[in-house]
Amino acid sequence: DAEITQSPRHKITETGRQVTLACHQTWNHNNMFWYRQDLGHGLRLIHYSYGVQDTNKGEVSDGYSVSRSNTEDLPLTLESAASSQTSVYFCASSESGGPQHFGDGTRLSIL
Amino acid sequence: AQSVTQPDIHITVSEGASLELRCNYSYGATPYLFWYVQSPGQGLQLLLKYFSGDTLVQGIKGFEAEFKRSQSSFNLRKPSVHWSDAAEYFCAVGFQKLVFGTGTRLLVSP
Repeated sequence: DAEITQSPRHKITETGRQVTLACHQTWNHNNMFWYRQDLGHGLRLIHYSYGVQDTNKGEVSDGYSVSRSNTEDLPLTLESAASSQTSVYFCASSESGGPQHFGDGTRLSIL
Repeated sequence: AQSVTQPDIHITVSEGASLELRCNYSYGATPYLFWYVQSPGQGLQLLLKYFSGDTLVQGIKGFEAEFKRSQSSFNLRKPSVHWSDAAEYFCAVGFQKLVFGTGTRLLVSP
């Protein structure tokens, strides 16, 4: 079955370090999305991509970057981790106009 | 501005009772509408979606939702709640990108 996999599931790091969260989907979807989930805020869009070499900023993109070199992967990088970026991160993918399918999330703690 | 409002942060329902979770949205045009459910430590699972046509849509796990254009609402309903329905529920609207509500946590009492 097709799936979307996030790794690691949990990570603890220190402020100032670079962190990369992986997202891999086997749906062959063109669209991929990164969200963060914080209490009281629901899911907020960080970055998204509509295809290879395409990336776009979402509503909370400061301090984050993504790259899309193939259809399957959209890694999310925190260039210099800050405590405000402690959160649960979700990756999702969709076909054009279709519903989004979500991974199980990465819980990131920045100390 | 595009926004989704889920006015109830928490709802407690007795097992076997009916459920209605509210969702109102603000969007330039009539968007696609979705309800997702999230169990603790899990990702979001799609319950149902509305693209066009019949305004009453059926989903998985016995859930349904009704789109009311005049009220910009897409409320989720279930006639008889089971203890396993305890989770967080998110309404989302959009086309390619989605805007999510802040969620409603459902608690089910015995």
